[in-house]
Amino acid sequence: KQEVTQIPAALSVPEGENLVLNCSFTDSAIYNLQWFRQDPGKGLTSLLLIQSSQREQTSGRLNASLDKSSGRSTLYIAASQPGDSATYLCAPFSNTGKLIFGQGTTLQVKP
Amino acid sequence: ETGVTQTPRHLVMGMTNKKSLKCEQHLGHNAMYWYKQSAKKPLELMFVYSLEERVENNSVPSRFSPECPNSSHLFLHLHTLQPEDSALYLCASSQDNSQPQHFGDGTRLSIL
Repeated sequence: KQEVTQIPAALSVPEGENLVLNCSFTDSAIYNLQWFRQDPGKGLTSLLLIQSSQREQTSGRLNASLDKSSGRSTLYIAASQPGDSATYLCAPFSNTGKLIFGQGTTLQVKP
Repeated sequence: ETGVTQTPRHLVMGMTNKKSLKCEQHLGHNAMYWYKQSAKKPLELMFVYSLEERVENNSVPSRFSPECPNSSHLFLHLHTLQPEDSALYLCASSQDNSQPQHFGDGTRLSIL
């Protein structure tokens, strides 16, 4: 059974810092991995999708890496801004499209 | 119209009521999903529909009954719910099961 752990559970930083959010999963036989953000009371916004054949994906200030063999993914946020405050969720998925979510990392960026 | 729309946004119901949650996607996707997000627990997949056929039922109690009349609409019919069913119910869609999933804003359900 796939289990996903995200560390840290919560993070509070001043604006401008570079951040690393960690995700680990127990079953390395994943198909893809998706990172999301969730704002309070809202649904999930897709940030990045990394396919199993890829090592990383970049979108603006976000960079996500994937190491399937070690069961790890990392989301790097450069030059953090108050608007980045949200909960970040990591979700590996199987070849049947089933997403398994971690508990998330709740990020607060202070002005 | 946003990509995935869920109605209502909030719902309060008694344990003996019957209600339905609605999800509509405007993205031309072929797969739709229901998830449950309870306080202090990870998001849990409930149901998966692909081309209007249910392909996954993740051990969900029968008091939750999904319906997918076409590839753009997904319903979750609720009856005789329990207080522990209070949660945020999220709908998602994707082109197929290897593509990114796009989520709606959810329905916040409270059972009295």
